Amino acid sequence: GAVVSQHPSRVICKSGTSVKIECRSLDFQATTMFWYRQFPKKSLMLMATSNEGSKATYEQGVEKDKFLINHASLTLSTLTVTSAHPEDSSFYICSASRSSGVWEQYFGPGTRLTVT
Amino acid sequence: GDSVTQMEGPVTLSEEAFLTINCTYTATGYPSLFWYVQYPGEGLQLLLKATKADDKGSNKGFEATYRKETTSFHLEKGSVQVSDSAVYFCALLLGDSNYQLIWGAGTKLIIKP
Repeated sequence: GAVVSQHPSRVICKSGTSVKIECRSLDFQATTMFWYRQFPKKSLMLMATSNEGSKATYEQGVEKDKFLINHASLTLSTLTVTSAHPEDSSFYICSASRSSGVWEQYFGPGTRLTVT
Repeated sequence: GDSVTQMEGPVTLSEEAFLTINCTYTATGYPSLFWYVQYPGEGLQLLLKATKADDKGSNKGFEATYRKETTSFHLEKGSVQVSDSAVYFCALLLGDSNYQLIWGAGTKLIIKP
């Protein structure tokens, strides 16, 4: 159990457009979901944490108006990259935990975003 | 600040070779330590963990011992297989946080038959 999916796995978009990435927990209810960004040969960087039904908590330096996160249900969170630019090109990974305060996270396979 | 440093890859080995992937950390307090593995096309999976000094985590033939004196958590396996080819991430969880993982950069492991 504890499978997390992401869609799409790859997306290419033009500069100035917006892109939505979905993260779903397939066989469990995810009270908390996390969004990470990974640069080549770099550590995963936590962007934000979201709890179902409340606003996401963004890490320092992450623009909340640019990276819109919605966690509308216990199985779905979305990350929308608004007015994307080439520097937003990256690998975005989501994870989910079964309940608040529980450390174990289950990870999605990631989404490769390329902005041209 | 808190950080995790792991050896750069890729690490290329022949099947049945002995594996060590080094991981050292800097943290205040008493973190928990983890190894995650990412197989091609899949999400990160927890491989093993250790929550206090001298604990040894083990799973699927992999082991890592939490060494506080050397602030290390090196991953080892006695005899690797082609199916172990993946990217391995070392991470720590601070004692005062219940969710924020601090990650190493990942080490790609390639096992040749």
